Amino acid sequence: DIVLTQSPGTLSLSPGERATLSCRASQSVSTRHLAWYQQKPGQAPRLLIYGASSRATGIPDRFSGSGSGTDFTLTVSRLEPEDFAVYYCQQYDSSPLSFGPGTKVDIK
Amino acid sequence: QLQLQESGPGLVKPSETLSLTCTLSGGSISSSSYYWGWVRQPPGKGLEWIGSIYYGGSTFYNPSLKSRATISADTSKKQFSLRLRSMTAADTAVYYCARLINDFWSSYPTYFDYWGQGTLVTVSS
Repeated sequence: DIVLTQSPGTLSLSPGERATLSCRASQSVSTRHLAWYQQKPGQAPRLLIYGASSRATGIPDRFSGSGSGTDFTLTVSRLEPEDFAVYYCQQYDSSPLSFGPGTKVDIK
Repeated sequence: QLQLQESGPGLVKPSETLSLTCTLSGGSISSSSYYWGWVRQPPGKGLEWIGSIYYGGSTFYNPSLKSRATISADTSKKQFSLRLRSMTAADTAVYYCARLINDFWSSYPTYFDYWGQGTLVTVSS
């Protein structure tokens, strides 16, 4: 099974700052089968990025994804007030589908 | 616009079987482009994939559930369902139904692009 690790656990930033979130896989995720989700309290997750770097429909271009192999990054170029949330990565390279434990981005 | 809505009991007794249904509006289960699945989230914790189904009947499950889960679909009703046997307190969670994109090359579920709002299921006597 592929185990995903996310760092940091919590990221405290101010609006307008850049957020860089890391997702590391226990083995190589071939063909970039990695997605990122945003979840706010009391809401379902929302798809942000798939294929490691493709933005989902309606996602602002301040969100970008990069990486390959075992190391992936989600970057939010300038944090807006609505971006403070928990972010999860998910691999779909092999069964079982698995999620990372999440990174919480909160207001400094 | 696709919408997914979970329905089922909010409270289940230990050792009983949970039955949840997800109803689609604005879309069809009978599409070769998608899988349909369930994800759960214990209070204050992360996300766990339970399993997924293709309209043709193929299913995939997370082995961590030790074969307790069964997912089925009723295309005429635009519904798919989850049964989870032998419930314990550790199964207390918000249960989400979701749509997954089908990887045509491998015919395997990939990422989740639409989600229901989720339903909290508590296991308690």
